[in-house]
Amino acid sequence: DIQMTQSPSSLSASVGDRVTITCRASQSISSYLNWYQQKPGKAPNLLIHGTSSLQSGVPSKFSGSGSGTEFTLTISSLQPEDFATYYCQQSYSTPYTFGQGTKLEIK
Amino acid sequence: QVQLQESGPGLVKPSETLSLTCAVSGGSISNYYWSWIRQPPGKGLEWIGYIYYSGRTNYNPSLKSRVTISSDTSKNQLSLKLSSVTAADTAVYYCARAPGDFDYWGQGTLVTVSS
Repeated sequence: DIQMTQSPSSLSASVGDRVTITCRASQSISSYLNWYQQKPGKAPNLLIHGTSSLQSGVPSKFSGSGSGTEFTLTISSLQPEDFATYYCQQSYSTPYTFGQGTKLEIK
Repeated sequence: QVQLQESGPGLVKPSETLSLTCAVSGGSISNYYWSWIRQPPGKGLEWIGYIYYSGRTNYNPSLKSRVTISSDTSKNQLSLKLSSVTAADTAVYYCARAPGDFDYWGQGTLVTVSS
């Protein structure tokens, strides 16, 4: 299985900040990397697919980059609704696997 | 707008079989892959497996011996069966549209394994 490791596991930031979350794969996954946002009690919501393609309806404050084994999710100008848990997920090969999550909290 | 709705018993006894259904509305299940994903309370996400509407399946090896995913195109729904459950199978179970990236999700249903 491909292991996905996110860093940091938790992050404190203020409204208006710009933050970056990193996701590393245990082997190359080309650009088959997706990002999700999950709020408490809700299903995950797809933000970015294929490393950098913004899902329809997702604001452009979210951006993704990377390739191979290292990827990043950047969120600019944090707003209160952005404080949530973020997961990366590889769709290069089955079994599809997720990172352990990054909890973004208000400072 | 595609909507998914999971349903099934919220409590299952150890060693029994967990059975869930995912009803899809706002679109046909045909021509898409559909996955089941679970999330133990307070923990991360685990992909269980997928089914293509034609019936082709792919399961997570960690669960393969206990999982069956099926589809019913006439009812536009998917099903999940997980046998010989233990407390470790307690989780919120989601169905989601695949392939690869999961763009539509159900709201999830909590299944607790307990006697």
